[in-house]
Amino acid sequence: GAVVSQHPSRVICKSGTSVKIECRSLDFQATTMFWYRQFPKQSLMLMATSNEGSKATYEQGVEKDKFLINHASLTLSTLTVTSAHPEDSSFYICSAEDEGIGDHYGYTFGSGTRLTVV
Amino acid sequence: AQSVTQLDSHVSVSEGTPVLLRCNYSSSYSPSLFWYVQHPNKGLQLLLKYTSAATLVKGINGFEAEFKKSETSFHLTKPSAHMSDAAEYFCVVSGGYGGATNKLIFGTGTLLAVQP
Repeated sequence: GAVVSQHPSRVICKSGTSVKIECRSLDFQATTMFWYRQFPKQSLMLMATSNEGSKATYEQGVEKDKFLINHASLTLSTLTVTSAHPEDSSFYICSAEDEGIGDHYGYTFGSGTRLTVV
Repeated sequence: AQSVTQLDSHVSVSEGTPVLLRCNYSSSYSPSLFWYVQHPNKGLQLLLKYTSAATLVKGINGFEAEFKKSETSFHLTKPSAHMSDAAEYFCVVSGGYGGATNKLIFGTGTLLAVQP
């Protein structure tokens, strides 16, 4: 089945630095990928939709200059948290649309990245 | 607009007893519905999905869910809980048909505890 690899699984960085998270579709091409943020004991909140070869679509309230998304190929999307602050500490998860069934697409999730900003 | 409501934030069962995790949805279109499971500090694993085919959907690990349009429900069940089932479960709705704007809307999650 479809597999999405997300890297790194954990990262600790200092305030003010930038962190890049990668999301790769290993055995399928993903025109569209999604980035989510999950706070402790809460649900997933969609941050942005990443489209190969075009600009990402950000959800309301998400700073596009803070969370840079690049989807340069059909198998790779990256999320860069710029000038990280402790409040950016969270669990970030990506997902990719796979072939699904008929008109209804399926979604495969990465294993997540635990970001801690100190 | 689509939305999903998970009626219980916590459910506790004894090992070997049935599991019922409740989910109600709202959708303007014919929805796709999913159940995902998340173990601590892990990504999400798809348990099952409904995509307008059979209303009773069988998933992995003995889970199943029934789509009931009249009740706008998609409850997740399992006949006999196992200790390894302890995790967070998310009911998810996706409205409309395919394409880049086909976003997933997540419920708030149900934490399932399994007592020995």
